[in-house]
Amino acid sequence: DAGVIQSPRHEVTEMGQEVTLRCKPISGHDYLFWYRQTMMRGLELLIYFNNNVPIDDSGMPEDRFSAKMPNASFSTLKIQPSEPRDSAVYFCASSLTQGYGYTFGSGTRLTVV
Amino acid sequence: KNQVEQSPQSLIILEGKNCTLQCNYTVSPFSNLRWYKQDTGRGPVSLTIMTFSENTKSNGRYTATLDADTKQSSLHITASQLSDSASYICVVRTTDSWGKFQFGAGTQVVVTP
Repeated sequence: DAGVIQSPRHEVTEMGQEVTLRCKPISGHDYLFWYRQTMMRGLELLIYFNNNVPIDDSGMPEDRFSAKMPNASFSTLKIQPSEPRDSAVYFCASSLTQGYGYTFGSGTRLTVV
Repeated sequence: KNQVEQSPQSLIILEGKNCTLQCNYTVSPFSNLRWYKQDTGRGPVSLTIMTFSENTKSNGRYTATLDADTKQSSLHITASQLSDSASYICVVRTTDSWGKFQFGAGTQVVVTP
């Protein structure tokens, strides 16, 4: 298994532009999580899905952030419009129902200038 | 206030030496505690996971302990290697909501030759 696959690995964009981050979870995992990591705040849970359904989005910072999971093998995190304070590493993780097989992707480093 | 506190913030040790990282938490109700290793530029990788009834768990040269009464955990690295240089993150999960993981800020370990 290739693990959790995220793309792109790096993204540099101008303030105000739309940014879309992509994630392919491990096949068979029915939970998918989006995290954001910064030096100041560490790892923060943004949103998670169970069987493609958003369960808890209380960590999404504001309406500029949205996430979708159209099928079991793909999810996106979109920021529109992006701002410099959104600069961070965004991680996707997936897990089996019981929560023990919790695997992170390599992350997308987002820089908004 | 962060409910998971890790110490020290950073640590430099000589190759071959042992070290111990600390994690104190106030998260309640407690479900399990995980230690992750995060190499620079990579996603976190799980080292150990312990439930309430487990006091010690090992993964190679990594040994984690848990005292659920005092809400303290430690991660001991034996005979450190250069590849142990990474950030070590303590994560506590509550039982009240599946996605509610509380992350520590991490301890940055640098192993020098």
